[in-house]
Amino acid sequence: SQKIEQNSEALNIQEGKTATLTCNYTNYSPAYLQWYRQDPGRGPVFLLLIRENEKEKRKERLKVTFDTTLKQSLFHITASQPADSATYLCAPWMDSSYKLIFGSGTRLLVRP
Amino acid sequence: GAGVSQSPSNKVTEKGKDVELRCDPISGHTALYWYRQRLGQGLEFLIYFQGNSAPDKSGLPSDRFSAERTGESVSTLTIQRTQQEDSAVYLCASSSSFLGNTEAFFGQGTRLTVV
Repeated sequence: SQKIEQNSEALNIQEGKTATLTCNYTNYSPAYLQWYRQDPGRGPVFLLLIRENEKEKRKERLKVTFDTTLKQSLFHITASQPADSATYLCAPWMDSSYKLIFGSGTRLLVRP
Repeated sequence: GAGVSQSPSNKVTEKGKDVELRCDPISGHTALYWYRQRLGQGLEFLIYFQGNSAPDKSGLPSDRFSAERTGESVSTLTIQRTQQEDSAVYLCASSSSFLGNTEAFFGQGTRLTVV
């Protein structure tokens, strides 16, 4: 069955370092992969989208990679700040199902 | 308003009662999703509407759950005979397209507590 895996353990890093979050998927061939941020008590907010034919996408301090051979996406936040502390969710999208399914998310804590 | 609106924001109900949750999507958005999020857990897909097509109900956990949407407007999620396990935040999202290359906009959610 289709499965999306994100590290369930919180990632705890020092301010200024680069945070790297992983999203692995199995039995999927997503045409697109989206990343969202969720703060406590709020709905997720869209951050970045990457297409299957793109290796990398950047937006300010954010960078997403997409390796369709490894079936993995990496999400990087450079020069991390305490305000980046949140849960980050990946959502691979497959055109055969026409629906957005989310991983369980990884919580990021950035220490000042 | 410009965003996705959900009501009520909080709902406390007694076990066995029916509840109805409402979602107002962004005007013009053809795709609408409902998700459930239990405390400390990820988003669990429930149902997906795309325009006038038949909804994808594959995520509904039991026949006590149902949802409706009229055209490209308001959607309601109904839970009949609520159980304590139904306690969760119910999130609605809308998108301008059914394709995965468009972002989904989420509401703030309805926190449902079954006592």
